[in-house]
Amino acid sequence: GAVVSQHPSRVICKSGTSVKIECRSLDFQATTMFWYRQFPKKSLMLMATSNEGSKATYEQGVEKDKFLINHASLTLSTLTVTSAHPEDSSFYICSAPNQGSRNYGYTFGSGTRLTVV
Amino acid sequence: DQQVKQNSPSLSVQEGRISILNCDYTNSMFDYFLWYKKYPAEGPTFLISISSIKDKNEDGRFTVFLNKSAKHLSLHIVPSQPGDSAVYFCAASVGKSNFNKFYFGSGTKLNVKP
Repeated sequence: GAVVSQHPSRVICKSGTSVKIECRSLDFQATTMFWYRQFPKKSLMLMATSNEGSKATYEQGVEKDKFLINHASLTLSTLTVTSAHPEDSSFYICSAPNQGSRNYGYTFGSGTRLTVV
Repeated sequence: DQQVKQNSPSLSVQEGRISILNCDYTNSMFDYFLWYKKYPAEGPTFLISISSIKDKNEDGRFTVFLNKSAKHLSLHIVPSQPGDSAVYFCAASVGKSNFNKFYFGSGTKLNVKP
């Protein structure tokens, strides 16, 4: 089946630094990638939708200059958290729409736990 | 504003018994619903879906029920097995397309005791 590989799984960084999270579709072409974040005991909240070859679409309230999304190829989408602060500490997860009429929903990456100290 | 809510953060059930996980939504435009299962250190995986034209969908031990008037859906697992222990998310969207935006609940952690 479809696999989305997400790296790193866990990262700790200092305040003010930037962190890049990568999601790769391993055996299919992901023209679209959804980026979610989840705070403890909260829902997965959609941050942005990236489309290969075009600008990402950000949800209301998400700072696009802070959360840089690049979808440079059909198999790679990246999220860069710039000038990270402790309040950016969260669980970030990507997902790509499943292909085929009988494959419902998304294929998710395994997520990245970001801790900013 | 959470449009999809799972009000029970956790549920504990004895092996062999029924597990019932609940989900409520507020947007009456939602017409496509999914349940995902998530093990630690892994991404959520698709479990079962239902569209608003149905009120029930069954797949083996898993059945999803949809009550549109109450804006409520539930996932029944019968019989529950220890391997079912995981976090379960419900998700909803407008339109049955994988490219649509899905709204997720906060998850319910199911523990099936042997």
